[in-house]
Parts: sequence; structure tokens; C-alpha cells
Amino acid sequence: KQEVTQIPAALSVPEGENLVLNCSFTDSAIYNLQWFRQDPGKGLTSLLLIQSSQREQTSGRLNASLDKSSGRSTLYIAASQPGDSATYLCAAQGRGSTLGRLYFGRGTQLTVWP
Amino acid sequence: SQTIHQWPATLVQPVGSPLSLECTVEGTSNPNLYWYRQAAGRGLQLLFYSVGIGQISSEVPQNLSASRPQDRQFILSSKKLLLSDSGFYLCAWSRDRGNEQFFGPGTRLTVL
Repeated sequence: KQEVTQIPAALSVPEGENLVLNCSFTDSAIYNLQWFRQDPGKGLTSLLLIQSSQREQTSGRLNASLDKSSGRSTLYIAASQPGDSATYLCAAQGRGSTLGRLYFGRGTQLTVWP
Repeated sequence: SQTIHQWPATLVQPVGSPLSLECTVEGTSNPNLYWYRQAAGRGLQLLFYSVGIGQISSEVPQNLSASRPQDRQFILSSKKLLLSDSGFYLCAWSRDRGNEQFFGPGTRLTVL
């Protein structure tokens, strides 16, 4: 069974820092990997999706990388802002019979203070 | 553009009462639909998914059931709620299995 781990569980940084959030998964046979943002009491907002054949994806100040062979993905946030404060979740999507099923980590709770 | 709605936003129900949560998607046809639960101290767990009207797959044996009476409507139900059913219920959609999933605003359910 796929298990997804996110480190650190919480992170508090001053505004302007560049950040790296880590995600690891136990089964490298994934279809894709998706990063989400969740604000308190809200649903999930999709940030980036990386296909299994890709190495990275970029959107604005966000860059996500994928190393399938080592079972790792990282989310890089450049020049962090207080508005980036939220919980960030990664989810690996299974292949074959588990296609469509997202396996989630427990998230990294990010606080960016002014 | 596509929009996903869930209601109610919050719900407080006594143990043993029935449940009906609704999810609808606008702006797309024949979406794949998903129900997830986010319980305190646990990660998001897939409960059900549907690839079409009347087609439901259950991922986890539990006290809940799902139905898809219309193309863009997905309903989560229970005949008798348990305390352990408390949590944050999220509906999601994708164009096809394997595609990016988009989530709704969620329903916070508290069972007392």
C-alpha cells in the first residue's frame, strides 16, 4: 500500500525566505503527483501536478520537482509571503487498478510572518 | 469554467440520525467524482469514486454509502451516524481517471 510522508510537519519562517517542503512515497509506480494548498476550514486548492514522466513543474513562485526512482518530490516556494501561510499537501496517484486514487500525506503547516 | 459545490457547509447531527451530503459540479460533463474524508489527526482518505451515473466504487468498508443519480451530482449518505463519522468531507472531480483532481469547499460534520 502506498504511504506518503511529508516533512516537516510544521514550518515557521519570516517573510522573504525561500522554502523547501518535502514529500516522500513508498511505491515509485505512481501515475502523477499533485501538490495542494489548504487554508483553515477550507477545501483543497490544486497548485501543481507533475506527471510521472516529468521532472518538474513551475507556477509563479512555486516549483515542484519529482524523482520517482527515489520516491521523492519537493515543493519550492520562492520569496515567501504571509499570504502563503497554509497547509501544503502532496498526493501520489496510483497506477493500474488504483488509478484515480490519491494517496495523501498529512501535510506541512506553513506560517510566514511579516 | 468548472465549479464544484457542496452543501451544507457545516452540520451537527446526533448519533443514530441519517445523513445526506450533496456535491454538484458545473461546467463539465461526465466528470469522475470522488468523496474524501479528512478526520482529525489523520490524512485525507478516499471513500468513494464514480466514473458515471449509477457507477460507484467503495474504497473503505464503513457506515456510509454514495449515489450518483445525475451526471454531475454525487451524494454521500448514512442511515445511522456514528461518532466516528465526524470529520471534514470533501468532494472532488476530474475529467478522467488519472487527471488532476479539483476539490470542493467541504462539509464539516460533527456527530454528537
